[in-house]
Formats: sequence, structure tokens, C-alpha cells
Amino acid sequence: GQNIDQPTEMTATEGAIVQINCTYQTSGFNGLFWYQQHAGEAPTFLSYNVLDGLEEKGRFSSFLSRSKGYSYLLLKELQMKDSASYLCAVTDSNYQLIWGAGTKLIIKP
Amino acid sequence: DTAVSQTPKYLVTQMGNDKSIKCEQNLGHDTMYWYKQDSKKFLKIMFSYNNKELIINETVPNRFSPKSPDKAHLNLHINSLELGDSAVYFCASSQATGHSNQPQHFGDGTRLSIL
Repeated sequence: GQNIDQPTEMTATEGAIVQINCTYQTSGFNGLFWYQQHAGEAPTFLSYNVLDGLEEKGRFSSFLSRSKGYSYLLLKELQMKDSASYLCAVTDSNYQLIWGAGTKLIIKP
Repeated sequence: DTAVSQTPKYLVTQMGNDKSIKCEQNLGHDTMYWYKQDSKKFLKIMFSYNNKELIINETVPNRFSPKSPDKAHLNLHINSLELGDSAVYFCASSQATGHSNQPQHFGDGTRLSIL
């Protein structure tokens, strides 16, 4: 079956760095997305990786290793507004998007 | 200016009723989706339409019937509502047409509560 694993919840301190991991087992791979979802709001697109390596976008970076079925989202200089759920999603060989359950990130002052 | 808009934002109704949720996107996307997000926050795909044609129909009770009058609209009709239908329903759209990989844009969600 198809499976995406990410931690349920993480806590970090304002100003620090946090890494949210995602491992996947899917039938084929055509890219990996990270979305951010604030409580009570819609998911919004953060990043997309299809080749191995690191993609940097401001304070957020996303890494992919296809051979390991692994990705992480790195958030630097954490701000209180970064408190949200972070969803990992993988596109399989049929271009269907398989979603993880999300990681709830709590930022403490 | 809104990219993906769905109505209503809140829907409170009695068990057994029939209700509809509407979704419209002005992004010119070919593909639209309906998701259900339950209390555990897991986002589950229900349906996907590409240019008014159904392409994904996950295991969903047949009380749920999507309708796409044109590629900018995808509505969801639910018959005989049950307590377990209480959730947030998200509409989304993307340019993905089977051989491209574009991010999905989500509406603000419809919070459905069954009494």
C-alpha cells in the first residue's frame, strides 16, 4: 500500500531551527510537496521537490532523497506565526497525490 | 480576486437532510478536487474532475454526488446526512492534467456539522 509518515507533533522555540521529516512508500514517484495549514484555514503550498537535493526559499528549505524515500522541511529563525500543521504529499506514478497526516508544529516564546 | 471560493463556509444541519456545497475557481485550472478533513486533520481525497470529467472517485458513500457544470465549477451534493459526515470539506484546483505536476490551490473550506 501507499504510506506517508511524519511526526504527529513537534515543539520548537521562537528564533530556533526545526526540521520536520517525511518518509514515503508509494507506487512510483513524481514529486513531493510540502503544504502549511494554520488552524481553521486552508492548506497553502510551500515547496515542491522532484530531484534529489535541497530547495531553499527564504526561511524555509526542503530536501529530498528519492533513494531513501525521505524528505524534510527545514524552518529557520522560527516565528510565532509558523505555528501550524505541515503536510507532506507525494505524487505517485499515476500523478495522484498521496497525503501524510501532517505534523503540528508548536512554537514557544 | 479570490482564487478558489466555496460556499457556504459553515453548514449546520440535521441528520437525514440533503445539502450542497459549491465551489468555483477563477485560476483557469483544468482539474478540481473535493477533500474531506476530519477531526484528526487527515486530508482525504474524495473526487477529482478534469475538464468536467470524473477522474478520481475514491471509496465514498454514494450519498455523495459531485457535479461539474463546467471546468471552473465543482459542486458537492450530499444526501441523507449522517453524524459521521461532520468534517471540513475543502475544494481545490490545479493545472495538473496527468502529465504535469502543479500545486493545488485550496478554498477556505466548508465546516459541516450534523446535529
